[in-house]
Amino acid sequence: AQKVTQAQTEISVVEKEDVTLDCVYETRDTTYYLFWYKQPPSGELVFLIRRNSFDEQNEISGRYSWNFQKSTSSFNFTITASQVVDSAVYFCALSEATGAQKLVFGQGTRLTINP
Amino acid sequence: DTGVSQNPRHKITKRGQNVTFRCDPISEHNRLYWYRQTLGQGPEFLTYFQNEAQLEKSRLLSDRFSAERPKGSFSTLEIQRTEQGDSAMYLCASSLDGAHGTRGYGYTFGSGTRLTVV
Repeated sequence: AQKVTQAQTEISVVEKEDVTLDCVYETRDTTYYLFWYKQPPSGELVFLIRRNSFDEQNEISGRYSWNFQKSTSSFNFTITASQVVDSAVYFCALSEATGAQKLVFGQGTRLTINP
Repeated sequence: DTGVSQNPRHKITKRGQNVTFRCDPISEHNRLYWYRQTLGQGPEFLTYFQNEAQLEKSRLLSDRFSAERPKGSFSTLEIQRTEQGDSAMYLCASSLDGAHGTRGYGYTFGSGTRLTVV
């Protein structure tokens, strides 16, 4: 069965600090997809990134970066120079590549950026 | 394209009553998913439709839950004889190509329906 673990329940940092959100996953599939979503107080899940299991290149998008390591089954998310607007709950998710391709989510990490 | 729309946004009901939620996906999306999210947890998969066919259901979906997607367009999720444990956010997502969609980024989520059973 697939499983995603986000060990950090809550993180609180001061604005402009860098912060890393950890994500560890379990799957027996050789082909799969990993996602990060942001959930602001409004409740809607906002897509941040998708990665397939064959692409281990790290990705940077502005202040956001992602480190995918198959050897440790991790897909960590770093926010550089955090801002108050980054405050939200962040979810890591795993999807099978065939069939329903449903998402399996981690428990989420509540990130609070203090001014 | 106005995204995925869910109605109502909030629903308060008494225990034992039936409730129905509606999801209007992005029009060209053939895949539709329902998830349930309880407080402090990540969303959990409930069921999946490809066009009008319900192809997968989670064991979380008890006999009191039923979902439909007539004509492969909007979908409804009904909960009969609601219990306090049904209180949660119910999220709908739609997709054109699933996880590896090359057009867009896999899934688009609605804002959810928050159910409170009192």
